[in-house]
Amino acid sequence: ETGVTQTPRHLVMGMTNKKSLKCEQHLGHNAMYWYKQSAKKPLELMFVYSLEERVENNSVPSRFSPECPNSSHLFLHLHTLQPEDSALYLCASSRWEGANVLTFGAGSRLTVL
Amino acid sequence: AQKITQTQPGMFVQEKEAVTLDCTYDTSDQSYGLFWYKQPSSGEMIFLIYQGSYDEQNATEGRYSLNFQKARKSANLVISASQLGDSAMYFCAMREGLRNNNDMRFGAGTRLTVKP
Repeated sequence: ETGVTQTPRHLVMGMTNKKSLKCEQHLGHNAMYWYKQSAKKPLELMFVYSLEERVENNSVPSRFSPECPNSSHLFLHLHTLQPEDSALYLCASSRWEGANVLTFGAGSRLTVL
Repeated sequence: AQKITQTQPGMFVQEKEAVTLDCTYDTSDQSYGLFWYKQPSSGEMIFLIYQGSYDEQNATEGRYSLNFQKARKSANLVISASQLGDSAMYFCAMREGLRNNNDMRFGAGTRLTVKP
């Protein structure tokens, strides 16, 4: 298994659908992150979980709902999204302590019709 | 305010030559870390190199080196002996403080194209 695995890699959904993105890490890290990457914009931090508790929510709309059931898994539940939510969603993990490096997954490319 | 500035939207380099990708940052913290990531077309962000604000020597990792000029608040990435596989987006990032690992800001990125 590679370090951080994201599924699905591609997702197309209508504005009324409900779907979920999944992230799994096999690195023994204790922090996990969701980032959003839109065209021509810097990466935006959405959510941070440390030891399975959410420690940061950067004013993300409630149509995005994260879930971290354990230190290895992270979900992003999606409902009633807007076309402007179409983006690459990147999951990352790290050790919470010290100056440690984020390890990213390959991302989930989301298209909202 | 923009914390990380990458002024080169796109760069071209001839295969086997060296290239410098620019990055300047803005912080009032004394303790911070600087990172460079590579993002190929596949989408995955790949960590390349790290420089701590207290590190006196420039970081190096194989063909990658970081030209850290603290007074000028710049952290340029130098890639030596460019290869075709180096063609990708490159992002500079900064994490402020020793404990806030969540406070990492990314620049807008530079697209590097290596020409054969």
